[in-house]
Amino acid sequence: DVVLTQTPPTLSATIGQSVSISCRSSQSLLHSNGNTYLNWLLQRPGQPPQLLIYLVSRLESGVPNRFSGSGSGTDFTLKISGVEAEDLGVYYCVQSTHAPYTFGAGTKLELK
Amino acid sequence: EVQLVESGGGLVQPGRSLKLSCAASGFTFSNYYMAWVRQAPTKGLEWVASITNSGGSTYYRDSVKGRFTISRDNAKSTLYLQMDSLRSEDTATYYCTSNPGFAYWGQGTLVTVSS
Repeated sequence: DVVLTQTPPTLSATIGQSVSISCRSSQSLLHSNGNTYLNWLLQRPGQPPQLLIYLVSRLESGVPNRFSGSGSGTDFTLKISGVEAEDLGVYYCVQSTHAPYTFGAGTKLELK
Repeated sequence: EVQLVESGGGLVQPGRSLKLSCAASGFTFSNYYMAWVRQAPTKGLEWVASITNSGGSTYYRDSVKGRFTISRDNAKSTLYLQMDSLRSEDTATYYCTSNPGFAYWGQGTLVTVSS
């Protein structure tokens, strides 16, 4: 199975600070069709996950543009340019290039 | 507005069965692959099973193969998960979600396997 390693496990930030989360895959997530199926999700406390970024860097409709994704192959990054209070929660990367689909362990974003 | 509403969770003894349902609305259900993802208490997310839009193909994680069955009724816009021979390690909140993009999520239904 593909292992996704997220770092850091916990992130403390102040409002307005820019932060980044890394997601490294145990194998390339480039699909034979040319797409890279790496998404980012946010799970706020007591809520289901919500999609933020799909196909590495595409912003889901309705998601603020302070969120951005980048990367290729095995190394991916989610950046939040100016954290807001509503951004607090656990961030997960997830891959659906290879079966079984796998999630990273999560990065908890807290207020400093 | 897209809605996915899970139901059918509850407390069940080890070895028994439970069937989860997920009623979809607000999008063309029959066009989407769907999946079940679970989350054990205080843990991360774990993909359980997926099904193609027609229902013709299904996929499972190894730990549930032979025990869980994913199915769908496109006429009713409903996704199902039949869970047999339940184990304590199946205790989790079960979410239905669209696949492979994970764009749509339900609120989840809690399954507790305990004697």
